Amino acid sequence: EVQLLESGGGLVQPGGSLRLSCAASGFIFSSYGMTWVRQAPGKGLEWVSDISGSADTTHYADSVKGRFTVSRDNSKNTLYMQLNILRAEDTAVYYCAREMYSGYEYYYDYWGQGTLVTVSS
Amino acid sequence: EIVLTQSPATLSLSPGERATLSCRASQSVSIFLAWYQQKLGQPPRLLIYDASKRATGIPARFSGSGSGTDFTLTISSLEPEDFAVYYCQHRNNWPPLFGQGTKVEI
Repeated sequence: EVQLLESGGGLVQPGGSLRLSCAASGFIFSSYGMTWVRQAPGKGLEWVSDISGSADTTHYADSVKGRFTVSRDNSKNTLYMQLNILRAEDTAVYYCAREMYSGYEYYYDYWGQGTLVTVSS
Repeated sequence: EIVLTQSPATLSLSPGERATLSCRASQSVSIFLAWYQQKLGQPPRLLIYDASKRATGIPARFSGSGSGTDFTLTISSLEPEDFAVYYCQHRNNWPPLFGQGTKVEI
């Protein structure tokens, strides 16, 4: 059974840092790209970042570029997101998701339950 | 970047009725579009990918259609568990933006 479990969220002051983790199980982790999607309270979904299975390709939303860094450790079946210089507008539930290849493009077929990041003084 | 506009924002229907949700892209995304369902307090669930293919385990009452800039998600006969928020997302390029969502309510 595919499982994704996020951790690392919490309350942090503006300008602070956090590292989110996403522990994966039930599939060959290194064979799949992974993505982070966030959702501010009461708002819609926002794509944040993705990383290829081999970690050689990453992409970021403009809103987080230069502040967030996605990485993965395939030996530990774990995805990470380092969040630096946090702002109030980064407050959200952060989801990790697995990318499935359709034959044409990549879509998110499994999602974690999310971890809440609150940026406030 | 390609912007997705979903309509209507809210759809008020009853169980058994047909739901038709729209997603319009600011430029062509070919067929590279997905629909996700999200219930309160839960992560999203993939329903449709490549505009019209149902994801694993998704009931046949959910169908997707369209290509280019205009897409539709149809729920042929609403079940009580279908009342949720639905998002479209394109995968034509980066950033793979989501639409703002359509809430299907009773």
